Amino acid sequence: GAVVSQHPSWVICKSGTSVKIECRSLDFQATTMFWYRQFPKQSLMLMATSNEGSKATYEQGVEKDKFLINHASLTLSTLTVTSAHPEDSSFYICSARGQGVRGGETQYFGPGTRLLVL
Amino acid sequence: QKEVEQNSGPLSVPEGAIASLNCTYSDRGSQSFFWYRQYSGKSPELIMSIYSNGDKEDGRFTAQLNKASQYVSLLIRDSQPSDSATYLCAVNPNNNDMRFGAGTRLTVKP
Repeated sequence: GAVVSQHPSWVICKSGTSVKIECRSLDFQATTMFWYRQFPKQSLMLMATSNEGSKATYEQGVEKDKFLINHASLTLSTLTVTSAHPEDSSFYICSARGQGVRGGETQYFGPGTRLLVL
Repeated sequence: QKEVEQNSGPLSVPEGAIASLNCTYSDRGSQSFFWYRQYSGKSPELIMSIYSNGDKEDGRFTAQLNKASQYVSLLIRDSQPSDSATYLCAVNPNNNDMRFGAGTRLTVKP
């Protein structure tokens, strides 16, 4: 159990275009989803926390108007990178919080989306 | 002080040896602790969770938690080259936002 999917797995786009990434919890309901970004050889960086039906909470330094997050249902959250630029090229990973195997809440990660902006 | 600290490594061990990964955390009220493994170019995958003081074993993996010392570790017995990855320690300080360490890169040499 506890499977999280992301789509697309990779995307190449031109500078100035917008890119939408979907994150789905396939076999559990996730009231909270998280979006991370990871640059090569660096650690995970939390971008924002998304609760179903409410506005996302962004980490300091993350532009909320550039990285639009929508958490429309208990199984779907989307991240839209607006007017993407080459410096936005990164590995974007979502995570959904759900019940762990032995109780307690655990975060499960999606497979990630690799974005390359030309 | 960072919320979750790990030795960035790299940690190199020979095949068959025990790999020991360490993590300290700052929030004394933390209740949930996790180890994730991340292969290069992939997203993290959960390998162990621990909630109580002491040891928890799962196959070749043993997680150790000492809340008094605010310390959690992961031991990998009989290390295999396939264990080569970055290991992330994560702490859930308030059952809300999980905080990750920077990760320790482990290399198991054949």
